Amino acid sequence: QVQLMESGGGVVRPGGSLRLSCAASGFTFTDYGMHWVRQAPGKGLEWVAFIQYDGNTEYYADSVKGRFTISRDNSKNTLHLHMQSLRPEDTALYYCAKDAMIVLPVYIDVWGKGTTVTVSS
Amino acid sequence: SYDVTQSPSLSVSPGQTASITCSGDKLGHKYACWYQQKPGQSPTLVIYQDTKRPSGIPERFTGSKSGNTATLTISGTQAIDEADYYCQTWDSITTSVVFGGGTKLTVL
Repeated sequence: QVQLMESGGGVVRPGGSLRLSCAASGFTFTDYGMHWVRQAPGKGLEWVAFIQYDGNTEYYADSVKGRFTISRDNSKNTLHLHMQSLRPEDTALYYCAKDAMIVLPVYIDVWGKGTTVTVSS
Repeated sequence: SYDVTQSPSLSVSPGQTASITCSGDKLGHKYACWYQQKPGQSPTLVIYQDTKRPSGIPERFTGSKSGNTATLTISGTQAIDEADYYCQTWDSITTSVVFGGGTKLTVL
């Protein structure tokens, strides 16, 4: 059974850092690109970042470029999102998501349940 | 930046057809997909590559595209279809995944 389980969310002060993780199971992790997508309370879906199957190419939303870093450990079937210089507007539920393709993002066919990040003083 | 536009809301009666649109510059040259999200749940893919339906998605969900507008059509809408629906595409110029703002479908 394909499963994505996020962890690492919490409350952090503005300017702080946080590292999210996503444990993948039930599929060949190295065969797919992976995403982070977030959803602020009461708002729509916002794409955050994508990483290619081998970790060699990453894409970021303009709103997080230079502050967030997506990475993956294929030996441990784990996806990460390192977030720095956090702002109140980064407060959201962060979803780990699997793309259906390997190199370029096309569509997401599996979503995790999400982990909550709150940026507040 | 690249954007796609959805109407914020749509109301239909049970049994009617719901049509949710997504428009964007040159969307006709890109693939669109659609997600359904019910309150408190993660999104679920209902249409991919404009017209394809994943296994397990009811046949009443269909996707189409004309020009730069993609459409998700729900035929014979049921109360269980009440949800937020998001379109999504990939823009290779800005190298961005783009979600529409979402359409809240109410089945009265």
